[in-house]
Amino acid sequence: AQKVTQAQTEISVVEKEDVTLDCVYETRDTTYYLFWYKQPPSGELVFLIRRNSFDEQNEISGRYSWNFQKSTSSFNFTITASQVVDSAVYFCALSEVFGNEKLTFGTGTRLTIIP
Amino acid sequence: ETGVTQTPRHLVMGMTNKKSLKCEQHLGHNAMYWYKQSAKKPLELMFVYNFKEQTENNSVPSRFSPECPNSSHLFLHLHTLQPEDSALYLCASSQEGTSPYEQYFGPGTRLTVT
Repeated sequence: AQKVTQAQTEISVVEKEDVTLDCVYETRDTTYYLFWYKQPPSGELVFLIRRNSFDEQNEISGRYSWNFQKSTSSFNFTITASQVVDSAVYFCALSEVFGNEKLTFGTGTRLTIIP
Repeated sequence: ETGVTQTPRHLVMGMTNKKSLKCEQHLGHNAMYWYKQSAKKPLELMFVYNFKEQTENNSVPSRFSPECPNSSHLFLHLHTLQPEDSALYLCASSQEGTSPYEQYFGPGTRLTVT
């Protein structure tokens, strides 16, 4: 069975600080995908990133970066120089690669950026 | 404008009412999903439709009845709900058959059962 754990329920940081959101996953599959989604107050989940389990290279997109470590089954998300617009709930998710459309989500981390 | 729309955005209904949630995707996708988001719980996948055929029913109570008349529209018919069914119901779509896939979500319907 697949499982995604986001141990941080809520985080608050002052604007311009860096913040890291943790994600730990469990799966018996050797091939899988990992995702991060952002849910702003408007409600819809916004896709941020997808990583293949074969690709452990860290990725940077502007102020966002992701650290994928297969050895520790973690896929952490860092926001650098946080801004008020980053305030949202962030979800980490896991899926199989073939023949299954199911995304297994974590419980989410509510991030509040204090001006 | 989001590619996935949901109506209504908010719904309050009594336990004896019958109502329907509507989802429409404008992305040309062939798979659609219903999720339930309750406070402090992971998103729960309820139903999956692939090419209009239901391929997943995640042990959802029969008081929730999905309908997918075509690949662009998805409904969730509700009847005799319970207060614990109050939640945010999210619709999503994706293009199956191309890997890897991403699911695009609508803004959700906030349902309150009184």
